[in-house]
Amino acid sequence: DTAVSQTPKYLVTQMGNDKSIKCEQNLGHDTMYWYKQDSKKFLKIMFSYNNKELIINETVPNRFSPKSPDKAHLNLHINSLELGDSAVYFCASSLSESGNTIYFGEGSWLTVV
Amino acid sequence: AQSVTQPDIHITVSEGASLELRCNYSYGATPYLFWYVQSPGQGLQLLLKYFSGDTLVQGIKGFEAEFKRSQSSFNLRKPSVHWSDAAEYFCAVGAGFQKLVFGTGTRLLVSP
Repeated sequence: DTAVSQTPKYLVTQMGNDKSIKCEQNLGHDTMYWYKQDSKKFLKIMFSYNNKELIINETVPNRFSPKSPDKAHLNLHINSLELGDSAVYFCASSLSESGNTIYFGEGSWLTVV
Repeated sequence: AQSVTQPDIHITVSEGASLELRCNYSYGATPYLFWYVQSPGQGLQLLLKYFSGDTLVQGIKGFEAEFKRSQSSFNLRKPSVHWSDAAEYFCAVGAGFQKLVFGTGTRLLVSP
C-alpha cells in the first residue's frame, strides 16, 4: 500500500537506448512531479503535472517526455539515453495548493553505460 | 530567484549528543519550508514543515526546527541523536505552485 510507487527501482542500460520509468500514487492527489538527483545528491525538479496538464518544465532536454494518462499516474520516458542521464529519478505527488506536503517515491536508480 | 543554502556538507555527532543542521533560504514572499531525510538507498521522507504560525515546528523522530525570518533560517535540531539518524538531510523552500527548491544536503554521521 505504498503511497507513491515507482518502477523499476534499478535500471542499467546502454547509451542510445530508450527507457521508461512508471509512477503511481494512491493518495488522491491532483499534482505529480519528477525530480532528478544527480551524483552529488543535488535534487532538482524536472516536471510537474496538475490534473494531467503540464505545469512546470524546468528546461529539461526534449529527450525526456513525461506522460500523465490520469491524475494517479505520471510516467517518464527517456529517448536516446546519454551517460549524463545517470541519476536517481524521484516521482512525487501532492495536492495542488501551495504549502501542501509533497510525498516522494523511493526513487529509480538509472545507470547508463 | 529562490535558493537554499546548507553550509555544512557533512557533520559528525556522537550518539546521544545534540544536533543542529543549518539552513538558510532566499525567497521574496512568505516561505513554506521543509526538512526531508534520505537514508542510504532510500527515498525522501518528510521530517517537518513550516507554513505559518508558531515558528517552532515539531516533526517526526524527535526533530524540531525553528523559523527565524530575521535570519532567513530554518535550522533543524534534535536533543539526542541516535545511530539510526545517520542519513542525508535536505532543507527545501516552496517556490510557487508546489515547486520545491532544495539545498545541497547535509550528511549526518553518528559516531559511537
